[in-house]
Amino acid sequence: EAQVTQNPRYLITVTGKKLTVTCSQNMNHEYMSWYRQDPGLGLRQIYYSMNVEVTDKGDVPEGYKVSRKEKRNFPLILESPSPNQTSLYFCASKARDRRLYEQYFGPGTRLTVT
Amino acid sequence: QKEVEQDPGPLSVPEGAIVSLNCTYSNSAFQYFMWYRQYSRKGPELLMYTYSSGNKEDGRFTAQVDKSSKYISLFIRDSQPSDSATYLCAMSERSGGGADGLTFGKGTHLIIQP
Repeated sequence: EAQVTQNPRYLITVTGKKLTVTCSQNMNHEYMSWYRQDPGLGLRQIYYSMNVEVTDKGDVPEGYKVSRKEKRNFPLILESPSPNQTSLYFCASKARDRRLYEQYFGPGTRLTVT
Repeated sequence: QKEVEQDPGPLSVPEGAIVSLNCTYSNSAFQYFMWYRQYSRKGPELLMYTYSSGNKEDGRFTAQVDKSSKYISLFIRDSQPSDSATYLCAMSERSGGGADGLTFGKGTHLIIQP
């Protein structure tokens, strides 16, 4: 089954404790991205990657890091999480020749930082 | 300025009613207009997309874009309880990936009462 998976699905952590949210896709997609979704603010892009070893900032990159060492994986790293990073996070992917709006979204990771 | 306005609802209607969901925007450079459906605890999934102005129909769903008014709509005919979800509008200037990502509305929570 073609899918984007994220782990963990739910995470409660404390301020300053480094964490990684993993994202993996099994569709051989070149393009992957991370979004956060907040009430009253909608979905906003954090980082995206056009291919392996190619990443770039989205609209709200502050406080996040990403890496793309393998085509299928695109982890999101919070080196020192803060309460304002409490949010619902989505990973998405698409094939290089598909249009931006044809992204497949993962099921989401709900992060709470206390 | 990338800004999209969407009433968050909730919008509650009886089964079988015609539903109208709307978004307004300020960026006249937007060319692609999308509607995503997001069920609880799931990622968004593309429902419909439209390029430039006009109407597009797909089964019970009709997407309408009025670029002169900077206004887009999604109509759902013969609404079903399974249509209960959050509907996100999204827009972009280009269809490809990169810095010009998708700009999402906040989403409208729709409830179809059986």
